[in-house]
Amino acid sequence: QVQLVESGGGVVQPGGSLRLSCAASGFTFSSYGMHWVRQAPGKGLEWVAFIRYDGSNKYYADSVKGRFTISRDNSKNTLYLQMNSLRAEDTAVYYCAKERSSGWLGRGYFDYWGQGTLVTVSS
Amino acid sequence: EIVMTQSPATLSVSPGERATLSCRASQSVSSNLAWYQQKPGQAPRLLIYGASTRATGIPARFSGSGSGTEFTLTISSLQSEDFAVYYCQQYNNWPPSLTFGGGTKVEIK
Repeated sequence: QVQLVESGGGVVQPGGSLRLSCAASGFTFSSYGMHWVRQAPGKGLEWVAFIRYDGSNKYYADSVKGRFTISRDNSKNTLYLQMNSLRAEDTAVYYCAKERSSGWLGRGYFDYWGQGTLVTVSS
Repeated sequence: EIVMTQSPATLSVSPGERATLSCRASQSVSSNLAWYQQKPGQAPRLLIYGASTRATGIPARFSGSGSGTEFTLTISSLQSEDFAVYYCQQYNNWPPSLTFGGGTKVEIK
């Protein structure tokens, strides 16, 4: 069965950096685009970033563009999110999510989600 | 950016009753709409995509309808496990834009 396990969350000071990881199993990781979606405490869902199955295309929400970088290592079945210049408003649970459709850029919706990792930006 | 608005924010329903949740888009998204269910402390789960197609393993009591700017998620007979928050999400402008509604909490009446 599909499993997505995030790690790397924690408490970081404003302006700091953090790298999240998402270990994938149960499907052909190299065939699917992958997303990061976040949820601030008590709030709704916000799409953060996407990477194509082969890593050649990446898209970001305006709120994180220029500060966050998504990447993947298909040999390790792992997705990453490098977060720099963190702000208080980046505090959230970060979920990795699998694109439902394989190939090209997918369709833009998610059929499997990890359990999330909490990032807290606070001094 | 396409803004997704869900109503009501909270819906109080008795077990066995029908629940009707609404989602409105600020501009047409055709049928490029998904619905997710999220229970406390859990990740969201895909229920519906293409506005009306149930995802794998989703019970038939969940149905989606609509196109353009107006969408509905109907739960025909609420079970105890259905009390949760429901989000709609448009993917019409993908890439690069994906947006969610603010959610509707379905609570026990």
